[in-house]
Amino acid sequence: GAVVSQHPSWVICKSGTSVKIECRSLDFQATTMFWYRQFPKQSLMLMATSNEGSKATYEQGVEKDKFLINHASLTLSTLTVTSAHPEDSSFYICSARDRGSQGNYGYTFGSGTRLTVV
Amino acid sequence: ELKVEQNPLFLSMQEGKNYTIYCNYSTTSDRLYWYRQDPGKSLESLFVLLSNGAVKQEGRLMASLDTKARLSTLHITAAVHDLSATYFCAVDGAGKSTFGDGTTLTVKP
Repeated sequence: GAVVSQHPSWVICKSGTSVKIECRSLDFQATTMFWYRQFPKQSLMLMATSNEGSKATYEQGVEKDKFLINHASLTLSTLTVTSAHPEDSSFYICSARDRGSQGNYGYTFGSGTRLTVV
Repeated sequence: ELKVEQNPLFLSMQEGKNYTIYCNYSTTSDRLYWYRQDPGKSLESLFVLLSNGAVKQEGRLMASLDTKARLSTLHITAAVHDLSATYFCAVDGAGKSTFGDGTTLTVKP
């Protein structure tokens, strides 16, 4: 089945620094990827939709300059958290829309990145 | 704006019992998903439901979709401890998925 690889699995960074998270589709081309943030014991909150070769579409309330998304190829999307602060600490998850048989597409999720800003 | 409501949010059940989780959504959609999330892990896809009346089963879990009622159910049969997890439904609309708040299931011996 479709596999999405997300790295790193966890990262600890100092306040004010930037962190890059990668999301790769390993065995399929993903023209669209999604970035979510999940706080403890809460649901997934969509941050942005990433389209290959074009600018990402951000959800209302998500700072574009703080959460930089790049989708430069059909298999790679990156999320960079710039000037991270403790309130950015969260679980970040990417997903890609895969295409199953007969257009029966679903979503494959990366393994998630636990970001802790100290 | 698409809204997705799950209930219950927390469910504690004994092994061997049956129970149903409900997922209501506010606007028309023909794609509904069920996912499982274990603590500290990402999401695992369980079911994709594409049409009215769709029913899918995998092991002790069975999901159904009623698009007219805008309702999906996830039925658990003869629960076992391994089913303890958080279950999310998600509905597609406007090119993206909207998630319910999740149902945290605890199965006790």
